[in-house]
Amino acid sequence: KQEVTQIPAALSVPEGENLVLNCSFTDSAIYNLQWFRQDPGKGLTSLLLIQSSQREQTSGRLNASLDKSSGRSTLYIAASQPGDSATYLCAVRANNNDMRFGAGTRLTVKP
Amino acid sequence: GAGVSQTPSNKVTEKGKYVELRCDPISGHTALYWYRQSLGQGPEFLIYFQGTGAADDSGLPNDRFFAVRPEGSVSTLKIQRTERGDSAVYLCASSISGSQDEQFFGPGTRLTVL
Repeated sequence: KQEVTQIPAALSVPEGENLVLNCSFTDSAIYNLQWFRQDPGKGLTSLLLIQSSQREQTSGRLNASLDKSSGRSTLYIAASQPGDSATYLCAVRANNNDMRFGAGTRLTVKP
Repeated sequence: GAGVSQTPSNKVTEKGKYVELRCDPISGHTALYWYRQSLGQGPEFLIYFQGTGAADDSGLPNDRFFAVRPEGSVSTLKIQRTERGDSAVYLCASSISGSQDEQFFGPGTRLTVL
């Protein structure tokens, strides 16, 4: 059974810092990995989707990498802003239907 | 709007009652997913529709839970004889055709069973 772990569970940084969020998964036979943002009381907003054949994806200040063989993905956020404060979730699709989520990293960016 | 919508946004019910939660996917998306998210956890898969049929319902916790998508668009998640442990946020997502496509999520329905 695929297990997804996100470290750290919570992170607080001053505005302007670059930061890295980590996601690890136990089964490397994946179709894709997706990073989401979730604001309190809200649904999930898709940030980046990395297919199994890809190693990274970039969108603005966000860069996500994927290393299937080691079962790891990182989300890099450059020049963090208070508006980046949210919970970040990674999700791994290990077959056509089943997407497994980590518990998330709660990020606070202090002005 | 162009996104996934869910109604109601909040539902409070009493133990033992029946509830229905509705999801309107993005127009043209053939794949639809239901998830359940407990406080402090990531979403857990419940059921996946491809068109009108439930392609995978392996995540439904027991036979009190049922979902339909009769015309391949709107879906309804139905919970019978609700229990306090059913309290959670129920999220719906859709994607263009399933499989490797990006999933787009609705805002969720917060269900509270008293």
